[in-house]
Amino acid sequence: GQQVMQIPQYQHVQEGEDFTTYCNSSTTLSNIQWYKQRPGGHPVFLIQLVKSGEVKKQKRLTFQFGEAKKNSSLHITATQTTDVGTYFCAASNSGYALNFGKGTSLLVTP
Amino acid sequence: NAGVTQTPKFQVLKTGQSMTLQCAQDMNHEYMSWYRQDPGMGLRLIHYSVGAGITDQGEVPNGYNVSRSTTEDFPLRLLSAAPSQTSVYFCASSQGQGNQKLFFGSGTQLSVL
Repeated sequence: GQQVMQIPQYQHVQEGEDFTTYCNSSTTLSNIQWYKQRPGGHPVFLIQLVKSGEVKKQKRLTFQFGEAKKNSSLHITATQTTDVGTYFCAASNSGYALNFGKGTSLLVTP
Repeated sequence: NAGVTQTPKFQVLKTGQSMTLQCAQDMNHEYMSWYRQDPGMGLRLIHYSVGAGITDQGEVPNGYNVSRSTTEDFPLRLLSAAPSQTSVYFCASSQGQGNQKLFFGSGTQLSVL
């Protein structure tokens, strides 16, 4: 089964509102990655977090890795219509195979 | 560089037919993998390869075969298609091991009737 659990499954926001998706694991992760998939497109790599407590920012996107390296979050400040898509977290427990969460689908209404 | 190229983009099969989904990358990546994506299920790993001549099973390998004769190519074979294999298939590659940044192809939408 999936190594990482992601919530919520869906989120519908008004443009300008904030958005957060969470990724949780029962085991300690060596690292975690985040991907974005636009409707009809393919997943595109956003970022990788490696260190305990790590926080990285990409413009309006903030990524966090928990202190225990068992959870992670992606926060988008002041959403825009261009943020629409599905956001996936992904992690590996073997060093070889990357397993994805089920994703959070974000809909932004103008 | 073309990156990861998947063919075909769309395919319709009848139950019991066989076919091969093609995947090629021109980035000299050692790691290649196949995922299927179904509504509400996210991306599930079918098979992966850490180098030419080496393959291994992922989460949902049944009904699929793979081989890796060259670094560039990683075809996915359906020997006897079933309606449960209707899905969108993505090939992905990365430099080094599978826990590195993945580059995805544009996907193949497969329908099995």
